[in-house]
Amino acid sequence: GDSVTQMEGPVTLSEEAFLTINCTYTATGYPSLFWYVQYPGEGLQLLLKATKADDKGSNKGFEATYRKETTSFHLEKGSVQVSDSAVYFCALSAVDSSYKLIFGSGTRLLVRP
Amino acid sequence: EAQVTQNPRYLITVTGKKLTVTCSQNMNHEYMSWYRQDPGLGLRQIYYSMNVEVTDKGDVPEGYKVSRKEKRNFPLILESPSPNQTSLYFCASSLSMAALDSGANVLTFGAGSRLTVL
Repeated sequence: GDSVTQMEGPVTLSEEAFLTINCTYTATGYPSLFWYVQYPGEGLQLLLKATKADDKGSNKGFEATYRKETTSFHLEKGSVQVSDSAVYFCALSAVDSSYKLIFGSGTRLLVRP
Repeated sequence: EAQVTQNPRYLITVTGKKLTVTCSQNMNHEYMSWYRQDPGLGLRQIYYSMNVEVTDKGDVPEGYKVSRKEKRNFPLILESPSPNQTSLYFCASSLSMAALDSGANVLTFGAGSRLTVL
């Protein structure tokens, strides 16, 4: 079935460092892809999305490109801030009868001043 | 403000004592869903609802019930909670599943309900 695999965390970076969080997926169709972020004590919020191959989603300095050939949707940011410390989830929309988003296991990011 | 509201946010209970976690959305969304979040497992869907009176099982429905009598409300019922249901629960909604699939609409989450069953 459809699935999402994320790199395991935690990822610890210094402020202004470059961030990459890897995400690969397995899907039978052409799903939409999402990155959600969960700040401490809060629910998940949509960070960015891409709905078709080669689309680039971007928001708040974060970017991710829908790569069909490598089935990947890696999250990147050029210069992280302490306020970016959170858990990041990659997800895809299941285009079969599952009627849900399928989430990866989440990657915790800790940014130190 | 458009939002999904869950209650309670925190609950400690004992095995076998029935409880209900309420979920309400004010966006006139058709699709609603419950997820549980456990360390290392990400979010797993418990139940979902495509519209009023239309519900179906997700990946981990055992031990849970839901109902959708009104469009805005989607309560999660634990008839006889057990310790393995200790988890962080999220309710979420979207305009429709078709809109979610296409990316035209996204899933909006509540703030979460942390449940501990002793």
